[in-house]
Amino acid sequence: NAGVTQTPKFRILKIGQSMTLQCAQDMNHNYMYWYRQDPGMGLKLIYYSVGAGITDKGEVPNGYNVSRSTTEDFPLRLELAAPSQTSVYFCASRNPSRGDTFGSGTRLTVV
Amino acid sequence: DAKTTQPNSMESNEEEPVHLPCNHSTISGTDYIHWYRQLPSQGPEYVIHGLTSNVNNRMASLAIAEDRKSSTLILHRATLRDAAVYYCILRVYSGNTPLVFGKGTRLSVIA
Repeated sequence: NAGVTQTPKFRILKIGQSMTLQCAQDMNHNYMYWYRQDPGMGLKLIYYSVGAGITDKGEVPNGYNVSRSTTEDFPLRLELAAPSQTSVYFCASRNPSRGDTFGSGTRLTVV
Repeated sequence: DAKTTQPNSMESNEEEPVHLPCNHSTISGTDYIHWYRQLPSQGPEYVIHGLTSNVNNRMASLAIAEDRKSSTLILHRATLRDAAVYYCILRVYSGNTPLVFGKGTRLSVIA
């Protein structure tokens, strides 16, 4: 069981470039989340989804977009990368009876 | 989500028990108490959760005060691999309620 898989693990972007952070889960969970974590801080919610075709904004959505065409996949899109988006990004899915499973993260640097 | 208060850091000797406290004086009746931990350079990992009764699993024990305004995560024998940031989070059981992370408690384990 792979759990939650995030790709890539590391990426360096130039200001203004765009990219998609991939997230896939194989546990058939409906709820999925994207967080970012800045150095020394807790995680902040960017976007979430309660099922295929349904997404909503979290605490810090500006500069990001998401889509959820399948239960398994929940990609996060950065359109015009800015230095303020330098962070570690975590994707998670929820098992209501146990707890959330997190991916290993994508470390993004915008220069 | 109701707020939790945790010490910024704690230290423990290896192979000794560790008690990590959490205050949540504004907890509501539908809030479950969740604990996650984040090892260095990894995503958060679910540890344990409970509502009213004390809970045990292979990783830890959770002791919940009778008035539910505080709880304690207990690691029975700390190992070096338990060095991590531990987050205490309140969350309703059902529905879409993302985890809200504070700064947590940074646990150091001394050999």
